[in-house]
Amino acid sequence: EAAVTQSPRNKVAVTGGKVTLSCNQTNNHNNMYWYRQDTGHGLRLIHYSYGAGSTEKGDIPDGYKASRPSQENFSLILELATPSQTSVYFCASGEGGSYEQYFGPGTRLTVL
Amino acid sequence: GDQVEQSPSALSLHEGTSSALRCNFTTTTRSVQWFRQNSRGSLINLFYLASGTKENGRLKSAFDSKELYSTLHIRDAQLEDSGTYFCAAEGSSGNKLIFGIGTLLSVKP
Repeated sequence: EAAVTQSPRNKVAVTGGKVTLSCNQTNNHNNMYWYRQDTGHGLRLIHYSYGAGSTEKGDIPDGYKASRPSQENFSLILELATPSQTSVYFCASGEGGSYEQYFGPGTRLTVL
Repeated sequence: GDQVEQSPSALSLHEGTSSALRCNFTTTTRSVQWFRQNSRGSLINLFYLASGTKENGRLKSAFDSKELYSTLHIRDAQLEDSGTYFCAAEGSSGNKLIFGIGTLLSVKP
């Protein structure tokens, strides 16, 4: 059973549109993370959360919002999508006292 | 800021041979994690180390927090080992990982 799942797996959006990427984890981990992966940059942290109701800015938060309504769910929201946000997005979860993280399968987002 | 430098950027091995990947850290880190990204894009956890070495089958990883580096040794490489290998260090601030840009490993018959 996959412990971190993401939806949708693929998404095509138009410039200026709103995009919501969803993540669900069954690890019962306190921490959850959103990264994006681009060629030449590895994975970069966008937002993260320490638990339900908490969101924190990562290294590249501009243009993104996050929402953590429950222990299991963590969403990444692009209010006004731009072509520069075309990327592969990964969600991860981790225990509060450890930096070990477990990743979902990724969402490929294309903004036209 | 915190940086993770991975080498080599690309590596080609014949089946049955062995090699090592390396990550150097620009600042002190308390732990390192290694992943393999497969052809479908999934990130597979290989190792999490806070110190010392760990071994799993044909893979072995070491972490030297004082000398600021970690290695991943692949023994008797197989075709299914192909993929991109990432190391990630615990960030100095905030609860996050700092990723290297990866090593693209191709294993050939």
